[in-house]
Amino acid sequence: NAGVTQTPKFRVLKTGQSMTLLCAQDMNHEYMYWYRQDPGMGLRLIHYSVGEGTTAKGEVPDGYNVSRLKKQNFLLGLESAAPSQTSVYFCASSRGTGDTGELFFGEGSRLTVL
Amino acid sequence: RKEVEQDPGPFNVPEGATVAFNCTYSNSASQSFFWYRQDCRKEPKLLMSVYSSGNEDGRFTAQLNRASQYISLLIRDSKLSDSATYLCVVNGLGGYNKLIFGAGTRLAVHP
Repeated sequence: NAGVTQTPKFRVLKTGQSMTLLCAQDMNHEYMYWYRQDPGMGLRLIHYSVGEGTTAKGEVPDGYNVSRLKKQNFLLGLESAAPSQTSVYFCASSRGTGDTGELFFGEGSRLTVL
Repeated sequence: RKEVEQDPGPFNVPEGATVAFNCTYSNSASQSFFWYRQDCRKEPKLLMSVYSSGNEDGRFTAQLNRASQYISLLIRDSKLSDSATYLCVVNGLGGYNKLIFGAGTRLAVHP
């Protein structure tokens, strides 16, 4: 039962470098999300997708881009990393419309930008 | 004011104790409420939903007070395995994109 898988788990970048975080889910979920979690703050939504080929901005989208070319994958890109993007990034997925509130999260990706 | 506020803790309690966490939310239009659990350096997982009438799941009881805009989580007979951070989550305007997460309350249960 893989569920939601994120790669890489850890990454260290220098300011200005780019990278892509990959999220894959095998539950056939329509909705996928990228959150960041910082100390003393709740998870904040970066971008989300309500289906293949669609993306939308969340609460803190600046400095990030996303793509959902396949239903099972949701990619988060940092074009020019900044120290303020040092964080733990969580991908999540959910079944779709309806309000059960159950998000299934990946194990997280710890990113440090020097 | 944060949209969802929680006491960060930590709450340090002995095994067998009863402990309660509160969470306040600012949007009176919020419709759905949840508690998630997050173990250290792990991902959050849904613990339980919070219904208007209150609901119980084993040793865990969740209550909602709409008039005062707060949610509570009560844990009875605490176990060592209950040590974790408990996240209060509120759905403001419907849709998963509107889930607002509190920063969490840390619980440490000791022998």
